[in-house]
Amino acid sequence: GDSVTQMEGPVTLSEEAFLTINCTYTATGYPSLFWYVQYPGEGLQLLLKATKADDKGSNKGFEATYRKETTSFHLEKGSVQVSDSAVYFCALAHGSGNTGKLIFGQGTTLQVKP
Amino acid sequence: DGGITQSPKYLFRKEGQNVTLSCEQNLNHDAMYWYRQDPGQGLRLIYYSQIVNDFQKGDIAEGYSVSREKKESFPLTVTSAQKNPTAFYLCASARDSRNTEAFFGQGTRLTVV
Repeated sequence: GDSVTQMEGPVTLSEEAFLTINCTYTATGYPSLFWYVQYPGEGLQLLLKATKADDKGSNKGFEATYRKETTSFHLEKGSVQVSDSAVYFCALAHGSGNTGKLIFGQGTTLQVKP
Repeated sequence: DGGITQSPKYLFRKEGQNVTLSCEQNLNHDAMYWYRQDPGQGLRLIYYSQIVNDFQKGDIAEGYSVSREKKESFPLTVTSAQKNPTAFYLCASARDSRNTEAFFGQGTRLTVV
């Protein structure tokens, strides 16, 4: 079945460092891909998305490119801030049946230190 | 403001009791979902509904039940049959099941005491 694999955390960076969180997927069909962010004690917020191969999603300085050839959707940011500390989830929309179901990776905790 | 509201934020349940988690949305979305989150894990789908008066089991439906009598409401009941109910529960909605951009509530943390 469809699945998402993220790099294990936690990831600890100093402020202004470059961030990469790896995400790879296995899916039938042509899924849409997402990055969600979760701040402590809260629900998930959509950070960015891409709906087809070679699309680049971007928001708040974060970027991710849908790479079908490597089945990847890595999250990057050029200069992280303390306020970026959160848990980041990579997800895909279930490829069949148009149910809208999301399949999530296990999440990667990012801690940014001043 | 439009959004999706879950209540309560914290819930304590004694073993053997059923409890119901509320999820309400005023986004006029057709599709609604319930996910469970355990520490260090991703979210797993419990139930989903693509339209009023219809719902389907997700990957971990055992011990849970739902109803969808109104478009804006999708309550989740955690029954005594759920052997390990302590978790963070997240409700989500989407415009329809073909529009995969989901909006999430703030979650309910359920603890069995």
